[in-house]
Order: sequence, then structure tokens, then C-alpha cells
Amino acid sequence: DVKVTQSSRYLVKRTGEKVFLECVQDMDHENMFWYRQDPGLGLRLIYFSYDVKMKEKGDIPEGYSVSREKKERFSLILESASTNQTSMYLCASSGKTQYFGPGTRLLVL
Amino acid sequence: QKEVEQNSGPLSVPEGAIASLNCTYSDRGSQSFFWYRQYSGKSPELIMFIYSNGDKEDGRFTAQLNKASQYVSLLIRDSQPSDSATYLCAVTASGGSYIPTFGRGTSLIVHP
Repeated sequence: DVKVTQSSRYLVKRTGEKVFLECVQDMDHENMFWYRQDPGLGLRLIYFSYDVKMKEKGDIPEGYSVSREKKERFSLILESASTNQTSMYLCASSGKTQYFGPGTRLLVL
Repeated sequence: QKEVEQNSGPLSVPEGAIASLNCTYSDRGSQSFFWYRQYSGKSPELIMFIYSNGDKEDGRFTAQLNKASQYVSLLIRDSQPSDSATYLCAVTASGGSYIPTFGRGTSLIVHP
């Protein structure tokens, strides 16, 4: 079974804090993704990575950065959290098929 | 701009009925098609994928693909209240792209 894990299920942070969300996959997948999901807006791609140290911007990269130092691990960084970044964050990895982690529900106060 | 369209619903069906969920896509060269189920507050879970025209069955689920008409559907037979969820359609474009385009999902309610 493919397993994608995320470091936290729920997170509460204050405006201006630096936030790290971590994702680990155990299927040796080349591709990893970060999405956010908001009611009525669907899944929106923030960043993706197709190899170690490689990253590409998705549809909404502003306010975010990513790091992929090892193949199995893909981190999302909110440099200075803002209230409009309150959301559900979903990590995924893929070969031909994309599998999602359990999600992190982030609340920025 | 590649688009994947789904009716947001809710689609309401009685327990034991067949639920039919539809998805259309704009990129004629699309290669791979996926259905995910997402319960409220949870992450999407892959339930079916289909690559070729025709039907693919897995238990109570059948995915149907018609590339000429650019639609893919998901049939759920003998619907159960536990099938109540949002169903996301995802499509991967041609040219070896591994980045799926997701629809916004159809909410399904199965009432006893």
C-alpha cells in the first residue's frame, strides 16, 4: 500500500510565524505535490517537485516555498503566515497515479 | 486552459439505487482518468482509474470512458449511506504529464 504521511493533522499558528509542513512518502515516487483545498475553490496546486532539489510553481505559489532534499520528503514552508493561508493542506505523491496524505488543517490567527 | 467539469450537486439517491456521476474534460489528448472519493474533513482517496475507452468494473464501482465525447463517468451500484461523499474527477493530459487537473467534485448523498 502506498503511504503518504503528513507531520501534523491540525496546526494553529499566529500571523507572521514561519510554518513548516512536512510530507513523507514510502513508494519511491519521483513526483510530489502540495495543494490547498478551500470550500468552493476545489484543489489548488501550490508547488510540485519531479526530482530531488527540483521544484516547479503551481497555480498559487505566492507566500509559499518548498524544499525537497531527499526523494521521500517534500516540505512546504509558509514564510510569514497570514490569515488567508488558513486552509486544508494536502500533500500527494505519484508515479502514474496520485495518492494523497491525510491533510493538515492549518488555522492562522 | 485545461478544464474538468463536474456538476457540484448534491446528487441524492436512495439506498440500493445506482448513482451516476459525470465528468467532462476539455483536453482532447487526455490520457488518464481518475475518480477520488473524499469524505468531509478527510483527504481524497483513489477509488478508480481508467485509461482506455469503455467500461472498467471494480466491485460496486464502474468507470466509463468515452474519449470521442470527452466524458468519464462513475457508476455506483447498490449505493449505501457510507458512499455519501464528494467525488472528484481528475484527468492527466497528453505528453506524459503527471500533473492531474481536478474537477471541483460532485457531492453524493445516499439516503436510507
